[in-house]
Amino acid sequence: DIQMTQSPSSLSASVGDTVTITCRASQAVRSNLNWYQQKPGKAPNLLIYGASTLQSGVPSRFSASGYGTDFTLTISNLQPEDFATYHCQQTYSAWTFGQGTKVEIK
Amino acid sequence: EVLLLESGGGLVQPGGSLRLSCTASGFIFPNYAMNWVRQAPGMGLEWLSNISDFADATHYADSVKGRFIISRDNSQNTVYLQMNNLRADDTAIYYCAKEGTISGMVYFDYWGQGIMVTVSA
Repeated sequence: DIQMTQSPSSLSASVGDTVTITCRASQAVRSNLNWYQQKPGKAPNLLIYGASTLQSGVPSRFSASGYGTDFTLTISNLQPEDFATYHCQQTYSAWTFGQGTKVEIK
Repeated sequence: EVLLLESGGGLVQPGGSLRLSCTASGFIFPNYAMNWVRQAPGMGLEWLSNISDFADATHYADSVKGRFIISRDNSQNTVYLQMNNLRADDTAIYYCAKEGTISGMVYFDYWGQGIMVTVSA
């Protein structure tokens, strides 16, 4: 199975900051990488699919890149509603998630 | 509006069984693969199982293979997860998720609200 490792596990940031989350696959997944945002007590919400394509309705301050094994999610100009947990997911071979990255208010 | 509504969760004893249902609306259900994902308390997401649009293919995570069975009834717009031989570490919120595809890229574009399953004596 392909293992997904996110870093960091958590981070503290302030409104207006730019934060970057990384996701590494144990083997190449091409561009089959998605990012989800999850708020407490809620289901995950798709942000990015195909490694870099913004889902409809997602603010442009979210961006992502990567190919193969290394991927990043960047949130620019962090807003109060962005404090949440972010999960990466590979859909190249079966579907596995990273362990999540919690973005907290500093 | 796409809606996915899970039901069938609750408290079950170790070794017991439970069947979860997820009823969909707002899209052409037979056109899409469906998935089950769970999240143990304070933990990350774990993909469990997938079923193709016409149920001709199913896939399972190793952690549930041989114990869980996914199925669907396209006439009822419902996907099921039969969970057998449940263990304490199956305690989690269970989500169903609709699968979307564009240009070969697969993603989960809609999720249910989740339902709690607690395995305890």
